[in-house]
Amino acid sequence: AQSVSQHNHHVILSEAASLELGCNYSYGGTVNLFWYVQYPGQHLQLLLKYFSGDPLVKGIKGFEAEFIKSKFSFNLRKPSVQWSDTAEYFCAVNADNAGNMLTFGGGTRLMVKP
Amino acid sequence: DTEVTQTPKHLVMGMTNKKSLKCEQHMGHRAMYWYKQKAKKPPELMFVYSYEKLSINESVPSRFSPECPNSSLLNLHLHALQPEDSALYLCASSQERGYNEQFFGPGTRLTVL
Repeated sequence: AQSVSQHNHHVILSEAASLELGCNYSYGGTVNLFWYVQYPGQHLQLLLKYFSGDPLVKGIKGFEAEFIKSKFSFNLRKPSVQWSDTAEYFCAVNADNAGNMLTFGGGTRLMVKP
Repeated sequence: DTEVTQTPKHLVMGMTNKKSLKCEQHMGHRAMYWYKQKAKKPPELMFVYSYEKLSINESVPSRFSPECPNSSLLNLHLHALQPEDSALYLCASSQERGYNEQFFGPGTRLTVL
């Protein structure tokens, strides 16, 4: 079974700082990759997704992620964070042998100081 | 309409109560999911319905009983729950053919006394 690791559990940044959140997965086959965000008191929302094609994908709110197959990674980036980016971020993977099942990483809690 | 709705938003129940959580989507999705999310943890998959049939049960205790009455509705019936079952219960839906992202509802915050 695949696993997903998010190595940064808590990240604290000042506004305008750059952000990179790590995500690594363990499955060697074809994967679909996602980043979800959960703002305080709100539901999970999709930030971006990768299915195929250009490994650099752009999502909402200025976020992007790069799929590096050789490193089994799908790191999330944003060049300049805002206070409103304070949230929990989850990386999720769907493997081609897992039907519709998503495996979530443990999450990264981001706090942006104004 | 790209929304998944869940009712109620909050539910407090005793260990002997029977209650139900409801989920609805009108996106034409034929796969629907129940997840359990504890505080500061990722969602854990409980059940998957595909074309109104239960396709995955992740070894969930029988005190949780899912039901999919039609392609737009998903219920989770609760009976004789334990305090450790207190959590946020999330519903999600997705297209069934070819993988697509799951759309999540806002969840029901359940407290078992």
